[in-house]
Amino acid sequence: DTEVTQTPKHLVMGMTNKKSLKCEQHMGHRAMYWYKQKAKKPPELMFVYSYEKLSINESVPSRFSPECPNSSLLNLHLHALQPEDSALYLCASSSGEGSGEGYTFGSGTRLTVV
Amino acid sequence: QKEVEQNSGPLSVPEGAIASLNCTYSDRGSQSFFWYRQYSGKSPELIMSIYSNGDKEDGRFTAQLNKASQYVSLLIRDSQPSDSATYLCAVNRGKLIFGQGTELSVKP
Repeated sequence: DTEVTQTPKHLVMGMTNKKSLKCEQHMGHRAMYWYKQKAKKPPELMFVYSYEKLSINESVPSRFSPECPNSSLLNLHLHALQPEDSALYLCASSSGEGSGEGYTFGSGTRLTVV
Repeated sequence: QKEVEQNSGPLSVPEGAIASLNCTYSDRGSQSFFWYRQYSGKSPELIMSIYSNGDKEDGRFTAQLNKASQYVSLLIRDSQPSDSATYLCAVNRGKLIFGQGTELSVKP
């Protein structure tokens, strides 16, 4: 199994809603990542989890809250988002944070905040 | 200076031609370099990794690395319309950093 699975694929939420994005990998990878990608822009790193511990937070607003329940799962909890948070949210994984290898990306969640 | 820079594009080539995509990076200590392909509305897909100076070939794709010049390139031979996508150069400096991407259009 060489996939990173993200759910849901599409999400529309209001600015007062609370929702969660989910990511799962079964490749035995120990590092997992959240990226945000706006249209015509490259992916931007948000969070890094290494061995289930938060390793990097790229100064992301607190309305985004990551969680890593176990080595295969990564969640991103969303609360009180703004319309400018609408984007493609990508989960990725790699064998280790310092492995120097490329990341495997999931198919993404297309988020629209209304 | 951006950490990873790519030709802004768009790049248009005829079917069957060679497409040449270029990337420069600022951190001389970088060791790992990648090319991702991203179709419109889809997620990035890793197509090439290169770690040492020289060329690395995989099918129609050739990645070239020159650490002295801090330069990475991707050549696509016999370009096909299905190669039309945005190509992202990425450098791993403890975390994966992407360039802005070059949009490639292959015309039949």
